Amino acid sequence: EADIYQTPRYLVIGTGKKITLECSQTMGHDKMYWYQQDPGMELHLIHYSYGVNSTEKGDLSSESTVSRIRTEHFPLTLESARPSHTSQYLCASSGTQGWRTEAFFGQGTRLTVV
Amino acid sequence: DAKTTQPPSMDCAEGRAANLPCNHSTISGNEYVYWYRQIHSQGPQYIIHGLKNNETNEMASLIITEDRKSSTLILPHATLRDTAVYYCIVRVGAGTASKLTFGTGTRLQVTL
Repeated sequence: EADIYQTPRYLVIGTGKKITLECSQTMGHDKMYWYQQDPGMELHLIHYSYGVNSTEKGDLSSESTVSRIRTEHFPLTLESARPSHTSQYLCASSGTQGWRTEAFFGQGTRLTVV
Repeated sequence: DAKTTQPPSMDCAEGRAANLPCNHSTISGNEYVYWYRQIHSQGPQYIIHGLKNNETNEMASLIITEDRKSSTLILPHATLRDTAVYYCIVRVGAGTASKLTFGTGTRLQVTL
């Protein structure tokens, strides 16, 4: 059972609003990731973190920002939402110890900007 | 991380074995082969991973060729619930300098 949670599951918000998507995990994983995925399309890595105070840009350029102040928490922020940000955002985490280094995913946040 | 190549889609009859191939000809000696699947628009789910030996768990088997340039994920008795997009990923297992990047995957359709 994966212990990684994303909130909210669904969000409809107006253009220009600031939003923060939450992601928390209770597995003590060092690595955390954010992906963006449009319906029927590829998963694109937009941000990742190797640990506290570490954040890196992913393969797909994104106007969002992330922070990693605590191991268990990796929020994603959009300062000014636009319709082009409408997508599903998936958070994941993985450990670095031993054989079991697979990633666990949250249920995702489906964002609609109107 | 090494790049992988998978067929875009496959069909399989329910109850039959589904064999999903993956090419990773540029794999390095310290890179593992991981398989995930994504059902509809849920978060991807880990299936199995291996380095050079064949692996089996309750979900699937992973066959890696001796030269490690390709692998096959085997679902021994596919069911309708196995319909999903399957991703083959090659990455360092426990290193810190390792992103987790997904390609386009194989869309497996299991039919009656």
